[in-house]
Amino acid sequence: GAGVSQSPSNKVTEKGKDVELRCDPISGHTALYWYRQSLGQGLEFLIYFQGNSAPDKSGLPSDRFSAERTGGSVSTLTIQRTQQEDSAVYLCASSLALGGETQYFGPGTRLLVL
Amino acid sequence: GEDVEQSLFLSVREGDSSVINCTYTDSSSTYLYWYKQEPGAGLQLLTYIFSNMDMKQDQRLTVLLNKKDKHLSLRIADTQTGDSAIYFCAESLSGGYQKVTFGIGTKLQVIP
Repeated sequence: GAGVSQSPSNKVTEKGKDVELRCDPISGHTALYWYRQSLGQGLEFLIYFQGNSAPDKSGLPSDRFSAERTGGSVSTLTIQRTQQEDSAVYLCASSLALGGETQYFGPGTRLLVL
Repeated sequence: GEDVEQSLFLSVREGDSSVINCTYTDSSSTYLYWYKQEPGAGLQLLTYIFSNMDMKQDQRLTVLLNKKDKHLSLRIADTQTGDSAIYFCAESLSGGYQKVTFGIGTKLQVIP
């Protein structure tokens, strides 16, 4: 596609439920990133994919968070047993891995956990 | 570890120049970026500079890098109301892994 797309754009869920957030990177971009932007905070790095593998999972805040990427394209970020502190905007970005110093961001998914 | 710091807020009058400042801690940073986030939108890359440069100009935008002081600035000439947004400074290290560390963002308010 022309840009990075994310779905849903907004998600309201109840505490304790699981949510899945989806990211469609720019076609041909092999690197994909997930970030979290909480109210009044900067961007917090969550996880990075190179192809289908995630060499660095250190940013995931807890074991309730997981992510996968299939076919080197679409990625899903799953949050299990959501908590109110998970409420944030979840941003996805992609870049060309080779010389791909520029990350292109999607519009984000706004998650509200009640 | 990496750390990027910015002031939280800047207010300027329309037509004036805006200067948004940023400091970073990791001297091995290779790329330094400025992103713009308009209300309710995702981040948009404005410009970036390699660490071996000290200035980059792109239309109304001028980026200055003082590598010795680890200081990066973004100057917006003839600031317009459409420039009102949050501006994020970011850095990434050399190497194939492009983890990017962002500052908290500076909210620019342009007064008509």
